[in-house]
Amino acid sequence: DGGITQSPKYLFRKEGQNVTLSCEQNLNHDAMYWYRQDPGQGLRLIYYSQIVNDFQKGDIAEGYSVSREKKESFPLTVTSAQKNPTAFYLCASTTREITGELFFGEGSRLTVL
Amino acid sequence: GENVEQHPSTLSVQEGDSAVIKCTYSDSASNYFPWYKQELGKRPQLIIDIRSNVGEKKDQRIAVTLNKTAKHFSLHITETQPEDSAVYFCAASKGDNYGQNFVFGPGTRLSVLP
Repeated sequence: DGGITQSPKYLFRKEGQNVTLSCEQNLNHDAMYWYRQDPGQGLRLIYYSQIVNDFQKGDIAEGYSVSREKKESFPLTVTSAQKNPTAFYLCASTTREITGELFFGEGSRLTVL
Repeated sequence: GENVEQHPSTLSVQEGDSAVIKCTYSDSASNYFPWYKQELGKRPQLIIDIRSNVGEKKDQRIAVTLNKTAKHFSLHITETQPEDSAVYFCAASKGDNYGQNFVFGPGTRLSVLP
């Protein structure tokens, strides 16, 4: 069954701790993205990667880090430097075709206590 | 960079009526315009998309129109049903040889009243 898997679905973190959100896809997609969604808001781009071992900052990259060591995987680390990390995080992937559909994972809801 | 505006932010319609959501974009190089539906706590899912070489596309009760000159595109839902209630996002993407860069609108919360 092809798709994008995010884990964990729910995560609680104390202030000052780093946390890593997992994103794995078996769609053979080259491009992967991380978005942040706050209540009642749209999707804001954190980081994206179009190819293995390469990634670019999005609009709100401060306080986040990523890696792209494998085509299938694009983990996101929310560091203690992120001032307001409580949010819903969505991972997505697509082909590098000029008009390829963007597929989303189920999302990870992070709450900082 | 690209900027996508979306109106209205909330929309309530009676079951069976039509709903229209409008988006404008700023970058004339954008060439792909998808619409996503997101139910509460769920992932966004593609409901319809349109490419820049097409003016209109229809899929059952859902249609999208694109006006490249005016740089706006619209989602039309006819014969609305309660299960159409959700948040709808438009997006604009500019693809090139490196890949795509999607920019999303802020979303429209649609409520279909029975």
